Amino acid sequence: DTAVSQTPKYLVTQMGNDKSIKCEQNLGHDTMYWYKQDSKKFLKIMFSYNNKELIINETVPNRFSPKSPDKAHLNLHINSLELGDSAVYFCASSQQGQVNYEQYFGPGTRLTVT
Amino acid sequence: GENVEQHPSTLSVQEGDSAVIKCTYSDSASNYFPWYKQELGKRPQLIIDIRSNVGEKKDQRIAVTLNKTAKHFSLHITETQPEDSAVYFCAARSGGFKTIFGAGTRLFVKA
Repeated sequence: DTAVSQTPKYLVTQMGNDKSIKCEQNLGHDTMYWYKQDSKKFLKIMFSYNNKELIINETVPNRFSPKSPDKAHLNLHINSLELGDSAVYFCASSQQGQVNYEQYFGPGTRLTVT
Repeated sequence: GENVEQHPSTLSVQEGDSAVIKCTYSDSASNYFPWYKQELGKRPQLIIDIRSNVGEKKDQRIAVTLNKTAKHFSLHITETQPEDSAVYFCAARSGGFKTIFGAGTRLFVKA
């Protein structure tokens, strides 16, 4: 009955590799997000999709490519990984048009690039 | 661009004391202000929120106040307990899709 799930939880890889993180929500929400949380805990929006359409793309390098096959899924593919990509990546979802816009976060994926 | 400033970055209080975290926002169109709590190694979770047509909201030991004129909002935790220790994020959102988060406040409650 997990609301927002991500896989994998941990990802250790070498520089230059390509990796993907998957996210799924079963809340029926129409908007999904990817956030990057660095070592200083700062939460920075990367992308947002509404009904499978990209609506926010925050000056993220082209090496990062989100894909939303349907409203319940938002995956993140990263090419040519760099040391600076090491962080915790959180997926989140919310429902537009509600009185509040509470975002439900996934458990996070800790990416370590060596 | 839109910005949310949060202070202090670190706050240490004695158990039973109150804790106050303050935020300011820049986008006057912001109308929704959530607060998230993130425990170590966990995901951020909503603890309280307030909309722009309300000046104050309370839920047991936590309360949030909003001053739209000054573009300030604050989180107040009374009778703090060790389990309140966490990182707290304020955020602001306008009618669009983007929620801007503050930089976070690391709260330590000493037993």
